[in-house]
Amino acid sequence: EDKVVQSPLSLVVHEGDTVTLNCSYEVTNFRSLLWYKQEKKAPTFLFMLTSSGIEKKSGRLSSILDKKELFSILNITATQTGDSAVYLCAVQETSGSRLTFGEGTQLTVNP
Amino acid sequence: NAGVTQTPKFQVLKTGQSMTLQCAQDMNHEYMSWYRQDPGMGLRLIHYSVGAGITDQGEVPNGYNVSRSTTEDFPLRLLSAAPSQTSVYFCASKRGQLTYGYTFGSGTRLTVV
Repeated sequence: EDKVVQSPLSLVVHEGDTVTLNCSYEVTNFRSLLWYKQEKKAPTFLFMLTSSGIEKKSGRLSSILDKKELFSILNITATQTGDSAVYLCAVQETSGSRLTFGEGTQLTVNP
Repeated sequence: NAGVTQTPKFQVLKTGQSMTLQCAQDMNHEYMSWYRQDPGMGLRLIHYSVGAGITDQGEVPNGYNVSRSTTEDFPLRLLSAAPSQTSVYFCASKRGQLTYGYTFGSGTRLTVV
């Protein structure tokens, strides 16, 4: 059974801090790992990673995948209150039809 | 494009009632899925479809039926609602196998009393 574990489950920081969110996985037929941000409603797509060691960046957010150790990290630098959300990690298997999600990390950024 | 549209946004059902959650997308996406989200459990896959006429079960299919008669629509039917089905339901779609992650609808919050 495919499994995705995120840590920490919740995190409270102050504006300007840097945070690192973790995602480890066990998937039989791995194709890609995805990060989503969920503020109140629908998850919104952040990154998809398929290859080890290649960092994806978008502004203050970046992510990297380690396929040998089966984990990914999501970094957010210079956090802002607008970064407060649940961050979801999901793995996609080779058929591309199924996503297995972790529980999510609730990030709260205080002013 | 409206994206992925889910209706209704909120629903209260009595135990034993049946209903259909609607999902429509106007992006000509082949792949569509239904997830439920419960506190502390992330999103879990209920059913999915890789094209019109093709559906398959996900991780938690019991108590739910789906059909895919058109590319645009992927309704989720609750046959006999139970309190354990109280959850937030998300529909999602993507263009095809090689495209990246799914686009999600805004969700339906269902309460079964």
